[in-house]
This record gives sequence, C-alpha cells and structure tokens, in this order.
Amino acid sequence: GEQVEQRPPHLSVPEGDSAVIICTYTDSATAYFYWYKQEPGAGLQLLMSVFSNVDRKEEQGLTVLLNKKDKQLSLNLTAAHPGDSAVYFCAVSEAGNTRKLIFGLGTTLQVQP
Amino acid sequence: GPKVLQIPSHQIIDMGQMVTLNCDPVSNHLYFYWYKQILGQQMEFLVNFYNGKVMEKSKLFKDQFSVERPDGSYFTLKIQPTALEDSAVYFCASSVERANNERLFFGHGTKLSVL
Repeated sequence: GEQVEQRPPHLSVPEGDSAVIICTYTDSATAYFYWYKQEPGAGLQLLMSVFSNVDRKEEQGLTVLLNKKDKQLSLNLTAAHPGDSAVYFCAVSEAGNTRKLIFGLGTTLQVQP
Repeated sequence: GPKVLQIPSHQIIDMGQMVTLNCDPVSNHLYFYWYKQILGQQMEFLVNFYNGKVMEKSKLFKDQFSVERPDGSYFTLKIQPTALEDSAVYFCASSVERANNERLFFGHGTKLSVL
C-alpha cells in the first residue's frame, strides 16, 4: 500500500527565515495531497490541499510544490514567524478513496524569535 | 471555523475495561472518521462511518472496536475490552458529503492510556 515519508522530523529556524518540509509518497496514482498544522492541544488544521494536476500552489505565505516525477510534495513557509511553531503533517489520499488519508510522521517546527 | 470536539482529552483505564471515546462532529457533516496515533508513529486510519454504517475499516479496527452515532448525538468509538496496545491518541474527524477532495475537520484528539 501507499507509504508516506516526511522529513525532517524536527526543524528550527530563526524568525524571518524560510522553512521547508518534504514528503515522499510511493503510489503514482495518488490524487490528493494535504498539509495540516497542529498546534499544542488543538486539532489538525488544514493548511492547503492540492489535486494531482497542480504543480505549485501559493496561499498566505505558504507554497506547496508537487513533483509527480519524483513523487515528492513540499511545504515552504516563507518568512516564518513564531506563530508558525507547530507540528506539520503531510497527508495523501488514495486515488478513488478521498476519505482515507495516509499521513506522514510529522515535522515539529520551532521558529525562534 | 467549524470545530470537532472530543471528550475527554485524556482517559486512563485499566486493561480489560471498556472505554468510550466521544466526538461531537461539525453539525452539518455526514461522514465521520477515527484515526489512531501511537506515540512516535504515523496517524493511521481506523474507520469511516456514514448513514449509520461503517463504510470502510482498516486492519487496526479490531473486533473489540465499535462505532456508532445514535440519533445524531456523539459519534463514539468503543473499545471492549481494552488492551495495552490500544494506548494511543485517537483523533475524530468529520466531513460533508462531496464528490471529490473532501475537507476533513479534525478534533484535538483523546489520549487513551491503558494500564
């Protein structure tokens, strides 16, 4: 079945720097890709979702890149600030089964003021 | 925005006991889910539920597990009896019925500790 690997597990950046989190997946038929953010004591908050026909999507200081050839999904936080400190998860859904998500292990991001 | 509430945040029980985890999904949502995350491991799909029925379950959804949502109240996950390996954080989620790219709203999780 689909495997999702996420790296790095921990990331610390100074305020204003960019932070990049990368996920790789194994099933070339994967259709939907997601990035979630989890702050302490809170539920997972959907940051962005992309369909497989999209290579790049930008919203509110976040950039998601999808490289289907290398089966790689990345999240770039440009100009990170302390409020971005959280755990970030990538997730993918099986083609034809958009209700079952397969998650990465998560990346704990710390943005230092 | 819409919120999924999970009650309690933390539950500690003795092995062999029954436990019920409660989820209050977003009010107009029709699909409900449970995911399980063991410490240090990936969050994994357990089950999804629609129109009073389990639609799909994973191999993690053991015979000791059951889900229900009686009369639009809480969506519950019951484990009876519990085992040590059931210790994990359980996340509930809900979504509206839509053809593609359904957006799942997650709760903050219930940490279950089985002693």
